[in-house]
Amino acid sequence: DTAVSQTPKYLVTQMGNDKSIKCEQNLGHDTMYWYKQDSKKFLKIMFSYNNKELIINETVPNRFSPKSPDKAHLNLHINSLELGDSAVYFCASSEVLPETQYFGPGTRLLVL
Amino acid sequence: DQQVKQNSPSLSVQEGRISILNCDYTNSMFDYFLWYKKYPAEGPTFLISISSIKDKNEDGRFTVFLNKSAKHLSLHIVPSQPGDSAVYFCAAQRMNYGGSQGNLIFGKGTKLSVKP
Repeated sequence: DTAVSQTPKYLVTQMGNDKSIKCEQNLGHDTMYWYKQDSKKFLKIMFSYNNKELIINETVPNRFSPKSPDKAHLNLHINSLELGDSAVYFCASSEVLPETQYFGPGTRLLVL
Repeated sequence: DQQVKQNSPSLSVQEGRISILNCDYTNSMFDYFLWYKKYPAEGPTFLISISSIKDKNEDGRFTVFLNKSAKHLSLHIVPSQPGDSAVYFCAAQRMNYGGSQGNLIFGKGTKLSVKP
């Protein structure tokens, strides 16, 4: 009975390809997020969505685009993948308040 | 510019003893501080938080202390158990003017090993 789920768990692909990572939450939360954990282990926010509106967008290349078909889903599309995109991507969700965010298990992306 | 720093990449503690994980921050405008625990191949799991208006929050074996003047917080685990072995992330957050959540800013994490 997973609260925040992501697919796929592992993704290996070639440079230049376009790929998507899916995220679903069954917690009824209003806000969903995408984080990137790079090789230096920093967890950094990429996007968040609240009621289908993008409310945070850090300095992320426009090759990355979040898509939210409904409140329970926030998918991450990546175009023209580059070597530096290799990382673990975590989806998360939260209520507007309190501050706790619930994370998915992560998607390990390797770009060759 | 690291706003949240965890200067110890690893910590090893004997079972039953106290584990103390430290975290420093630079932005005095943070409203909340949180600790997350992460096992390998899993996402971070929320552990405990503290509001900037408090100096201590306790939940079972876990206590977080906040020293605002020193811009320092610590997580105490007493007694430590082998199942506590994980990476612990410190995170800080500002609330936006409208009351919505701001970004969670994470430290690099400290890997805790609790030896039986």
